[in-house]
This record gives sequence, C-alpha cells and structure tokens, in this order.
Amino acid sequence: GAGVSQSPRYKVAKRGQDVALRCDPISGHVSLFWYQQALGQGPEFLTYFQNEAQLDKSGLPSDRFFAERPEGSVSTLKIQRTQQEDSAVYLCASSPVPAGGYSDTFGSGTRLTVV
Amino acid sequence: GENVEQHPSTLSVQEGDSAVIKCTYSDSASNYFPWYKQELGKRPQLIIDIRSNVGEKKDQRIAVTLNKTAKHFSLHITETQPEDSAVYFCAAMNAGNMLTFGGGTRLMVKP
Repeated sequence: GAGVSQSPRYKVAKRGQDVALRCDPISGHVSLFWYQQALGQGPEFLTYFQNEAQLDKSGLPSDRFFAERPEGSVSTLKIQRTQQEDSAVYLCASSPVPAGGYSDTFGSGTRLTVV
Repeated sequence: GENVEQHPSTLSVQEGDSAVIKCTYSDSASNYFPWYKQELGKRPQLIIDIRSNVGEKKDQRIAVTLNKTAKHFSLHITETQPEDSAVYFCAAMNAGNMLTFGGGTRLMVKP
C-alpha cells in the first residue's frame, strides 16, 4: 500500500477484555515502531522491531502489553485485561532503514476506548 | 533516557505573522530532530527535519535551527496561514533509533 495502515480505526473494549491492534507497514520497511498517544499529549514510544526481531520493548507499560511481528511485516499489538488507563490512540510507524536518522511514516492510529 | 521539553503549549498568532516553537533535549547522543504536524484526529506528518551536523534548514515558509551545544532546536513558520493551525510536535532520535516526542504546541492562526 501507499502508507502505513492500521486497523481497526476505533475500538471500544470493556474493562478486562483483551484487544489486538494491527499494523501493516509500508512494504519493505525494516523498522516498525508502536507509540501510545494519550489525549492532548505527544506520542510515547512503546516498542521497536527490526524485521521480525523486537529490539526494544522498554516502553511497554506493563506485562499486559505484548507485540509481535512474526514475519517481519505485519505487526500486532495485544493488550490483555484492558484497563481504563489504556485508553489512548495507538500509533504505528515504519521506516526503511534499520539505523537512526530517518523519519518514520505514521499510520492513522487506532483509538482505543476502555469502558 | 531522553527527555524533550517543548514550549509554548499553545500559541495564537494573526495570519501573516511568524510563529516560533522551541524544544530542548537532554541526551547529547541524539542526532536527528524531526518536526511533525498533527491535525485533529489525524496522523502526525513530518514537515521538516534536521540532523546533528547541520545548524539550520529551510523549506519555503518553514525553518528549523539546531544548537547542539545548548541542546535546543526551534521551528520557525513565517507568513502563517489559517491552514497552519494544528498541533506541532518536536522529537529527538537517539542512537538506538528511538524517537522521544515533546508535549506538543497547539498553534492557532487567526484570519
């Protein structure tokens, strides 16, 4: 596709429910990032993949958050036993280079609301 | 880890005036500094970026300056237009390829 695609665009989950958010990066992009953006704030780093390898997961807020990219393309961010504080927009971004110094292209995000 | 501070949090200007947004960062190893524009409900979009070996970069009405010694960088928008109204985020990328974002500046351009 032409850009980074995320689905679903909106997700409402009941507290305690598990959710899975999908990211389709730009074809051929080796780097993939997940960010969490709370209302009125800047995106905050969650995790980083280089191809299928998860090289940095230091931003994941708890062990309820899990991300995978098994074939080095599509990635899924899973949140188990969702809590109200998980409500945010989850942004995915991809980059064609493995090293730093190149801007990431963002998807439109998934807005998660936990009720 | 990296810490990026952004000011002001809101900025209101008259159409045609200039707007300046300032950011500071803490990690001297950071080497890449992009700026993003985010309209309501939409994705952040890159508008300009600067690397650590450059002090200034300009693209039409938008310019960015970087002072590595002081660890601060700024976005300058000249001849502002109503369509410039949005939230702007600065960011710093460290050697580990991780972007740390500032808290954002809501720019309002009044016609």
